[in-house]
Amino acid sequence: NAGVTQTPKFQVLKTGQSMTLQCAQDMNHEYMSWYRQDPGMGLRLIHYSVGAGITDQGEVPNGYNVSRSTTEDFPLRLLSAAPSQTSVYFCASRTRGLTGELFFGEGSRLTVL
Amino acid sequence: TQLLEQSPQFLSIQEGENLTVYCNSSSVFSSLQWYRQEPGEGPVLLVTVVTGGEVKKLKRLTFQFGDARKDSSLHITAAQPGDTGLYLCAGPYNFNKFYFGSGTKLNVKP
Repeated sequence: NAGVTQTPKFQVLKTGQSMTLQCAQDMNHEYMSWYRQDPGMGLRLIHYSVGAGITDQGEVPNGYNVSRSTTEDFPLRLLSAAPSQTSVYFCASRTRGLTGELFFGEGSRLTVL
Repeated sequence: TQLLEQSPQFLSIQEGENLTVYCNSSSVFSSLQWYRQEPGEGPVLLVTVVTGGEVKKLKRLTFQFGDARKDSSLHITAAQPGDTGLYLCAGPYNFNKFYFGSGTKLNVKP
């Protein structure tokens, strides 16, 4: 059972470079989201989507873009990487309802030099 | 300032001890969830509490939702090394935004 799959697991970028973190889920969940995790900060919501074609901003959206063309995929784009974006990024999908469960990928560790 | 504040941030205890982790907010939540995260992995759901005053038990873990639905606690009885990990509370805000607390890093020494 694949669940939520993130690629790549590790990436090193130089300041100013762009890249896309990929996220795919095979559970047919309408809701998907991206978080970043920094020491002592828990997980902070970057962007989320409630279905194909619908995205919205979370707590820390600046410097990141998302799109949702299919139910399965929710890529996160860094347009011009900055050292402040060095973090571990988690993609999650969620079952329906306010008490639904978040299912996370294994994370993508990004270092920006 | 985070919407959900957790305390303590770090906890290092001996096997067999009891502990309590707190999750507090100034906002009312329709529900709160607790997740556990191990190094190199994503968080995994432990429990969801929905009703004010609700108590749920999961083996040696007891979860409580405050009467006013602004806070929650996680109590572990007779902690074991296998309980080591990062414990996170989370809740829905504005329907579709799910916010996490800053986390409590627990280390249980054998």
